[in-house]
Amino acid sequence: DAGVIQSPRHEVTEMGQEVTLRCKPISGHDYLFWYRQTMMRGLELLIYFNNNVPIDDSGMPEDRFSAKMPNASFSTLKIQPSEPRDSAVYFCASTFGTVVLQNYGYTFGSGTRLTVV
Amino acid sequence: KNQVEQSPQSLIILEGKNCTLQCNYTVSPFSNLRWYKQDTGRGPVSLTIMTFSENTKSNGRYTATLDADTKQSSLHITASQLSDSASYICVVSAVRGGSYIPTFGRGTSLIVHP
Repeated sequence: DAGVIQSPRHEVTEMGQEVTLRCKPISGHDYLFWYRQTMMRGLELLIYFNNNVPIDDSGMPEDRFSAKMPNASFSTLKIQPSEPRDSAVYFCASTFGTVVLQNYGYTFGSGTRLTVV
Repeated sequence: KNQVEQSPQSLIILEGKNCTLQCNYTVSPFSNLRWYKQDTGRGPVSLTIMTFSENTKSNGRYTATLDADTKQSSLHITASQLSDSASYICVVSAVRGGSYIPTFGRGTSLIVHP
């Protein structure tokens, strides 16, 4: 298995532009998480899905952020319009999420480094 | 509010020395605690996972301990190597309604010098 695949690895965009980050979870995992990491705040959970359904989006900072998971093998995180303070590394992670399997750890992708200028 | 506090924020040690990283949490109801290693420019990778009934777990030179009564965990690294230079993140999960919700610490940045 290739692991959790994120694209692009790096994204530089101008303020006000739309940005779309992509994630392909590990096949068979039923939970998918989007995180944001900054030096100031560390890793922050933005939103997570269970069986393609958004369960908790309370970590999404503003209405400018939206996430979708149209099927079990693909998810997107969109920022529209982007702002310089959105600059961070965005990680996607997947796992088996049932309580019985709770000892199975998260698998993270390599992240997308977003820079908004 | 569920919180995970890690200390120290950063640590510099010489190659071959041992070190211990700390994690204190207030997450409730507790489900499990994980330690992750994050190399620069990479995603975090799981080192150990412990549930309520486990008080120690090893993974090579890494040994994690858990005191569920005091809500403290530590990660001990033995005979450090240059490749141990990374950020170490403590993650504590709570269980609600059959799903588990993670709370992340901000990590300890470890630098191992030759």
